[in-house]
Amino acid sequence: GNSVTQMEGPVTLSEEAFLTINCTYTATGYPSLFWYVQYPGEGLQLLLKATKADDKGSNKGFEATYRKETTSFHLEKGSVQVSDSAVYFCALSAPSYNFNKFYFGSGTKLNVKP
Amino acid sequence: DVKVTQSSRYLVKRTGEKVFLECVQDMDHENMFWYRQDPGLGLRLIYFSYDVKMKEKGDIPEGYSVSREKKERFSLILESASTNQTSMYLCASSFRGAREQYFGPGTRLTVT
Repeated sequence: GNSVTQMEGPVTLSEEAFLTINCTYTATGYPSLFWYVQYPGEGLQLLLKATKADDKGSNKGFEATYRKETTSFHLEKGSVQVSDSAVYFCALSAPSYNFNKFYFGSGTKLNVKP
Repeated sequence: DVKVTQSSRYLVKRTGEKVFLECVQDMDHENMFWYRQDPGLGLRLIYFSYDVKMKEKGDIPEGYSVSREKKERFSLILESASTNQTSMYLCASSFRGAREQYFGPGTRLTVT
């Protein structure tokens, strides 16, 4: 079956620190992989995506590479800011019936201190 | 930009009440989804719709129903609200063959 596992939080970092949030997946077939971000009181926003092996998604200084050999899609950022404080969700999208079904990780809360 | 809107950001209802959550998208998407979000559980799919008047159960449909009379609008109905339905509800939409979904801001429902 399909599933996503991501590291538990909360993760607390100082401003300008390096960020890694681990995400691994199990999937049948060839899923697409996503990172979504949820700021306090808001819905989910698409942060970045990758649709095939070795693709690198990037946005706003965040990056993640689709690693088929390790079934991973870890999120990284070189220098976090206080404004990056949010909950981050790793997800995969795979065909199911007549739509592409999403499987979400449980979310990782990031707190960035000034 | 894709816009998905939800009728309420916060809602407080009493046990046993009938509750309607409305979602509207403006991108002519065929697919629409309702999820609930609970701490430590991530997002779980309640129902989805792939066309007007068409609906399919997701992973946790018990206690919920849906309605899609127009392409842009997808409603989630709690026939008789219970306290275990206190949660954040998120609506999403996508094109039929697309792999990414676009989310609304969410409705935080409290059932007392």
